[in-house]
Amino acid sequence: ETGVTQTPRHLVMGMTNKKSLKCEQHLGHNAMYWYKQSAKKPLELMFVYSLEERVENNSVPSRFSPECPNSSHLFLHLHTLQPEDSALYLCASSQDGQNTEAFFGQGTRLTVV
Amino acid sequence: AQKVTQAQTEISVVEKEDVTLDCVYETRDTTYYLFWYKQPPSGELVFLIRRNSFDEQNEISGRYSWNFQKSTSSFNFTITASQVVDSAVYFCALSGYGQNFVFGPGTRLSVLP
Repeated sequence: ETGVTQTPRHLVMGMTNKKSLKCEQHLGHNAMYWYKQSAKKPLELMFVYSLEERVENNSVPSRFSPECPNSSHLFLHLHTLQPEDSALYLCASSQDGQNTEAFFGQGTRLTVV
Repeated sequence: AQKVTQAQTEISVVEKEDVTLDCVYETRDTTYYLFWYKQPPSGELVFLIRRNSFDEQNEISGRYSWNFQKSTSSFNFTITASQVVDSAVYFCALSGYGQNFVFGPGTRLSVLP
């Protein structure tokens, strides 16, 4: 099993749909992250969970809703997205909340039509 | 505020050439951590190295080497005898003590056969 697994790998959704992205880590880490990677823009940190508590929410629109039911799983619930939300969404985990290296999943390529 | 600059947007080299990727960072923290990640076409970011601000020793790992210079706030990455499989986007990242990662914009490296 790979360290951090994301599903689905690709997702196309309409603006009125509701979908969820899933992330699972098999590394025994305590912190998990959601990043957004858009074309020609730096990686944007969206959410950070440490020991299942949200510790950072970087002014992300409410149409993105994270959920961390346990230290191994992280979800990103999506609803009423806009075309500009199309991007690669990357999940990562690290041993501690900061300063230790993060390990990334392969991402979900999201297209909003 | 923390910031990471990777001035080279794209670099192309011919196989077996050496190539250096530049990274310049800004931080007011005295304790901080620097990272390099590789993002191949598959999408996931692959962790390459982590250095803390108190360890200025250069590091070599196979064909990869890193030059950390606090005096110039730089953490450059050199690939010796490049190979086609080195083609990827490379990200430099900074984490202040107790803070989350700040990623640079990335450098796209193309190694031509």
